[in-house]
Parts: sequence; structure tokens; C-alpha cells
Amino acid sequence: ETGVTQTPRHLVMGMTNKKSLKCEQHLGHNAMYWYKQSAKKPLELMFVYNFKEQTENNSVPSRFSPECPNSSHLFLHLHTLQPEDSALYLCASSPGGQTTDTQYFGPGTRLTVL
Amino acid sequence: GQNIDQPTEMTATEGAIVQINCTYQTSGFNGLFWYQQHAGEAPTFLSYNVLDGLEEKGRFSSFLSRSKGYSYLLLKELQMKDSASYLCAVRSSGGFKTIFGAGTRLFVKA
Repeated sequence: ETGVTQTPRHLVMGMTNKKSLKCEQHLGHNAMYWYKQSAKKPLELMFVYNFKEQTENNSVPSRFSPECPNSSHLFLHLHTLQPEDSALYLCASSPGGQTTDTQYFGPGTRLTVL
Repeated sequence: GQNIDQPTEMTATEGAIVQINCTYQTSGFNGLFWYQQHAGEAPTFLSYNVLDGLEEKGRFSSFLSRSKGYSYLLLKELQMKDSASYLCAVRSSGGFKTIFGAGTRLFVKA
């Protein structure tokens, strides 16, 4: 596979569930990102990892927990979410090392919290 | 605070030219990006400006004026497939933080 892939593409979960979103990039990049996209709102940056080190945490609630085991994989662990967390969660990657990097996005995971 | 403004919606005719404006106020500036996002799909990169002036890439051009905090995306010879949302994004101060506008939904009609 090429580019940035995300699984699952769709997820429905209850507020007491625990689930994880997975992102994998096949571009040889070193920086990876999690974004939240809600209807009619701007993309919101959640987390950034550069060379496996977290460099940005945009005041994200602790019910979202990122994990970056290596430069190719990024996870977002979810627990005790709220209905307002329902959104499209997008993963992106960029070459890393320079702040002017272009980001390449995955197709996203459509999350619904009941 | 940090803010990016762009029109919510625009409509244009196939074959015409359309200009999508973006104004920004951010703490620091490290480049401005334009992305295209079709409904239900991921954003895809269109252009990047860090210096003042016009960058041309085929039917798409992007302009930047850092002193005015202003950019525009120019789409020429519009095609139906250009119907999409266009996202303006600014890489602010040092680090990897990118701030996105809410996007402009462009409708191209026959």
C-alpha cells in the first residue's frame, strides 16, 4: 500500500467503551499528526509526533491518548468519550525535520459516540 | 488570538475563473498552505507560499502578501470536478502547529 492509511474507516462506540484508531504511513516520513474535523468547523490539530517524540499537544482531553511506537505508525486510544467527540479523525504525515513540511492526509476515521 | 477567515461558500460556472480569499492573524508565520477536500475524502495538498508573490501550478495559482496577512487561491478554466472545499492553513510560529480555516465550499455549475 502507498500513502497514509487509517483503520477503521468507521467506528461507532458507546461512552464506556475503549477503542483505538490506527494510522500507518508508507512514505518514509518522520512526522505524524492527529486532527479532528467536526462539521462546519476548522480542522483542529490534536497531537504531533516528530521522530517518535510528541512535540504538540493542543490541550486535548485525557480521554484521547496518542501512541507513536515508530515513525510509520500512530495510534489514538479512546476511552470514556462524549457524544461531542463524534467527528472525522484525520491522520497526516510529513517528511519531518522542517516546519515548512507539506502534510499528507489519510482518509480518516468517522467516529460516532452514542 | 489566532484566526483564519475565508468565505463559507462560493458558486462559479464551468470554464470560468474563481478567486478564493483567505486572511489570517497568527502568532508568527512559517508558510501558508492550500488544500482541496472533496466530500468524504481526505484533504490533498494544492500549494504552498512562504514568500510574497504568486505561485502558479497549472490551472491553480496562489498568492501571498505577508504584510497584509492575505492570500488567495485562483482557479482557472473551472471544471465540475473542482467542486470541493478549499482549506487555507497557516504554519504559525516554530514547531509543527498548523492552523486551518473552516474552508470554502466551491460549487461549480454547468
